[in-house]
Formats: sequence, structure tokens, C-alpha cells
Amino acid sequence: GAGVSQSPRYKVAKRGQDVALRCDPISGHVSLFWYQQALGQGPEFLTYFQNEAQLDKSGLPSDRFFAERPEGSVSTLKIQRTQQEDSAVYLCASSVPGDGYTFGSGTRLTVV
Amino acid sequence: AQSVTQPDIHITVSEGASLELRCNYSYGATPYLFWYVQSPGQGLQLLLKYFSGDTLVQGIKGFEAEFKRSQSSFNLRKPSVHWSDAAEYFCAVGEGQAGTALIFGKGTTLSVSS
Repeated sequence: GAGVSQSPRYKVAKRGQDVALRCDPISGHVSLFWYQQALGQGPEFLTYFQNEAQLDKSGLPSDRFFAERPEGSVSTLKIQRTQQEDSAVYLCASSVPGDGYTFGSGTRLTVV
Repeated sequence: AQSVTQPDIHITVSEGASLELRCNYSYGATPYLFWYVQSPGQGLQLLLKYFSGDTLVQGIKGFEAEFKRSQSSFNLRKPSVHWSDAAEYFCAVGEGQAGTALIFGKGTTLSVSS
């Protein structure tokens, strides 16, 4: 596609509920990143995929966070047993070598 | 440790006035530098990037930035600000090659007064 697409745009979850956030990167982009952006802060790295391989997950805040990209294109970020501190905007970005990183519009997660 | 500092949390400029947003970085390797803009409820839009070559980089929407290695800075400038430039601006640093995550500053909020 022309850009990085994320869905849903907004998600309200009750505390303890599981959520799944989807990212559809630019076609042909090998690299895919997930970031978490808390209110009033800059984005913080969560995890990175090269094709279907998850090469870096050092930014995932807890084992409740899980990401996958099984066919090397669409990626899903899953958060289990959501807590209030998980409320944030989750951004997905894709890139190719030597170019910038293209970000999606993000998913705003609110845990109530 | 790698880091990006944007010293100004909030800046207000008059429409038509010039703008400079500051960015300082700490990075062990040769940095690749980026400026992104974020409007409320939107994702990040790339304004410009520096990988190598000319240290004065031109971007979209009339923005430019200058890489100064000696000062570890990559300040963003615009000669004449428009009301539509009001947004959040983020400086980021990375290795530039695919597979390395960007490190972002905390952002500068730009307000434009008429």
C-alpha cells in the first residue's frame, strides 16, 4: 500500500482484557518496528522485525507484550491482561535501508 | 548511552517569524538524524533526514536542518512560520541502516500566534 496502515485507530479495553493491534506495512519493506508513545512523550522502541524474524524485543515492557509477523508482512502486537499503564499510542513503522522510517497513524489504547 | 535532548518543551512564535528548534544527541557511532512532525491524533511525518554529505539538509514544508558534529546538534529551522506548522516536533537518531531502532527526544510543542 501507499503507507503504513494501523488498526484499530482507537481501542478501549477493560483492565485485564487482551488486545491485538494490527500493522500493515508498506509493501516490500523488510523492516518493521513497534513503538509505544505515552502522553506527552516521544515514541519508545518496543520491538523490531526483519521479514518474519523478530530480531530485537528488548523494548517490550513485560511478558504480557507479544508481537508477531508470521509471513513477513502484516504484524500484530498483542497485550495480555491489560493494565492502566499500558494506555498509550502504539505506533508501527516500516523502512528500507538508506531511507527514512514511515510511521502509521497509530492505535490509541485506553485501558479503563 | 545513546540519547536525544530537545531542550525546549514548548515554543510559541508569531506567524511569519523565523523558527529554530534545538536538538542535541549523544551517539557513539556516526549518527543518522531525523526530524518528524506529529499533529494531534496523527502519526509521525518525516520532515527531513541526514545520512551523510552536505550538512545542511532541506526538507518538506520549507524546513531545513543543519548537522553540526562539533556541537552534537541537529537544529531544525524555518524562515517564516505558518499557522499550520503548529504541532509536536520530534528529533530522532539512529544508525540509519534497516534494522536499527530510532531513539527519539521528548518533543517540542510549537504554538503559532497570529
